[in-house]
Amino acid sequence: AQTVTQSQPEMSVQEAETVTLSCTYDTSESDYYLFWYKQPPSRQMILVIRQEAYKQQNATENRFSVNFQKAAKSFSLKISDSQLGDAAMYFCAYRGPNTDKLIFGTGTRLQVFP
Amino acid sequence: ETGVTQTPRHLVMGMTNKKSLKCEQHLGHNAMYWYKQSAKKPLELMFVYNFKEQTENNSVPSRFSPECPNSSHLFLHLHTLQPEDSALYLCASSQPGANYGYTFGSGTRLTVV
Repeated sequence: AQTVTQSQPEMSVQEAETVTLSCTYDTSESDYYLFWYKQPPSRQMILVIRQEAYKQQNATENRFSVNFQKAAKSFSLKISDSQLGDAAMYFCAYRGPNTDKLIFGTGTRLQVFP
Repeated sequence: ETGVTQTPRHLVMGMTNKKSLKCEQHLGHNAMYWYKQSAKKPLELMFVYNFKEQTENNSVPSRFSPECPNSSHLFLHLHTLQPEDSALYLCASSQPGANYGYTFGSGTRLTVV
């Protein structure tokens, strides 16, 4: 069965600095999708960035980028120029081929200090 | 406006009560999901509906009963719950086969007393 592991329950970063959140996953599939979601105190999960496994190029969305290492089954999220509004829970998620189900990790709580 | 609306936002119920959670989406999606979010645990998929048909029941106890009358609405009927059922219940929607992930609601915080 596929699993997603986030080994950092909590992380903190100074405003304007860079932070990297880790995620590893286990799958025997070669074609799949990976996602990072942000859950602020408002509780709504917001899609931050996604990566298709067949694309070698790392996805980037403004200050958010990923380091996708397919062979290592690693999918880390880098937040550059951190802002106070980035403080939230961050969840890594996996979606396999031929399914719409998302499998989530346990999340990382990110604190941003001024 | 998130596109996926969940009501109520908070719910406190006794173990003998019957209540329902509601989820509504106006995104034209045809797949809807119920997830349970408990502290320090991965989100647990409970039910999946595609085009109003239930396609997944992830071994959820029968005290949770989903209903999907149309592609825009999803309910979770609750009865005879246990304190360990206290959690945040998240609804999400997506377009089947699309690869952009889900759109989530803001959840219902359920407390069973």
